[in-house]
Amino acid sequence: TQLLEQSPQFLSIQEGENLTVYCNSSSVFSSLQWYRQEPGEGPVLLVTVVTGGEVKKLKRLTFQFGDARKDSSLHITAAQPGDTGLYLCAGNAGGTSYGKLTFGQGTILTVHP
Amino acid sequence: NAGVTQTPKFQVLKTGQSMTLQCAQDMNHEYMSWYRQDPGMGLRLIHYSVGAGITDQGEVPNGYNVSRSTTEDFPLRLLSAAPSQTSVYFCASSYSPGPWDSGNTIYFGEGSWLTVV
Repeated sequence: TQLLEQSPQFLSIQEGENLTVYCNSSSVFSSLQWYRQEPGEGPVLLVTVVTGGEVKKLKRLTFQFGDARKDSSLHITAAQPGDTGLYLCAGNAGGTSYGKLTFGQGTILTVHP
Repeated sequence: NAGVTQTPKFQVLKTGQSMTLQCAQDMNHEYMSWYRQDPGMGLRLIHYSVGAGITDQGEVPNGYNVSRSTTEDFPLRLLSAAPSQTSVYFCASSYSPGPWDSGNTIYFGEGSWLTVV
């Protein structure tokens, strides 16, 4: 069973601050995704990374996949109250894990005005 | 949450009762799956299907049954509900069961809140 450890579990910051969320595993993943979930809704895909060392940017969000494809990070620059939500990383190990997506525990981000 | 519809949105069951959570998608996706979400535990895969007539177990399958008689529908059955099954349930679908990349996005439903008393 592949495990994804996400940290921190809670993050409370002021508007304008920067933050980083980490997603770590001892297993290699063929792809890793980041989702954002609002209360009362399902997760919505933000990005997928598939290549070790890959960096993707989505406006103020920067996503990185580790060289060994065992870890990933999400960095938000100049956070805004609209960034508030639950952020989830999820990975698929491929091979015998075909069809199975493993999620981290999630990071609850609160950005105060 | 384009195209994945879950019903009911909220349900309260008594211990031992049975019920079915419905999931339908209109995107002609081959892959469908059910997850449960509990505080501090992210989402955990219950069952999944890679096409009509094909299902397999995920991480936490005990107490749940599924079937996939059509491409569009993937119901989740609780045969004898237990308080430990109190959770939020999400159905998800994608064009194929992997790899998930920019050309194969997973779409989630809005969730079904289940309380077992």
